[in-house]
Amino acid sequence: DTEVTQTPKHLVMGMTNKKSLKCEQHMGHRAMYWYKQKAKKPPELMFVYSYEKLSINESVPSRFSPECPNSSLLNLHLHALQPEDSALYLCASSQPGTSGEQYFGPGTRLTVT
Amino acid sequence: KQEVTQIPAALSVPEGENLVLNCSFTDSAIYNLQWFRQDPGKGLTSLLLIQSSQREQTSGRLNASLDKSSGRSTLYIAASQPGDSATYLCAVIIYNQGGKLIFGQGTELSVKP
Repeated sequence: DTEVTQTPKHLVMGMTNKKSLKCEQHMGHRAMYWYKQKAKKPPELMFVYSYEKLSINESVPSRFSPECPNSSLLNLHLHALQPEDSALYLCASSQPGTSGEQYFGPGTRLTVT
Repeated sequence: KQEVTQIPAALSVPEGENLVLNCSFTDSAIYNLQWFRQDPGKGLTSLLLIQSSQREQTSGRLNASLDKSSGRSTLYIAASQPGDSATYLCAVIIYNQGGKLIFGQGTELSVKP
């Protein structure tokens, strides 16, 4: 099974709301990633968790808060977002120490109103 | 700093044509290179991964080559079909940065029936 799942598929939230995105994989991978993708642009890395510890934070604003509760799950908590944060949020996973191949989920389409 | 470029940005071909997508990178010290396909509003599907020690990798009608010394990779699609229409992204895997992917801007392919 090479599937990464993400929920919800679509999310509309106001600038004062708090919401969370969820990502799950059952491939036994120990590295998980959050990316942000704007239209017609490649994905931009936000966070990397390796063995459930945050290893890379690409200077992401604090209104985005990642969490890795166990080796299969990755959350992204959202608070006080701006309209410019509207984008497709992608989760990916890979196994450290191997080829580095990353497997992506279908994404969550986020709209901030 | 590693930079990845994809040419052309967009390509339109008639069905049945063989085509080549290009990817170039500035630093030959890569770990591996991964080609993805992305349909509009969807996640990334991994097509092929070429390890830095390999010259090419094949999957069905797809063939990817890698020339580290010249900083180039190509994705060859044989006998193109309308279902191949999508954006194709190449990404260089930088192992010493926690498996970080450096993406090109993508090539938007349209195959006309």
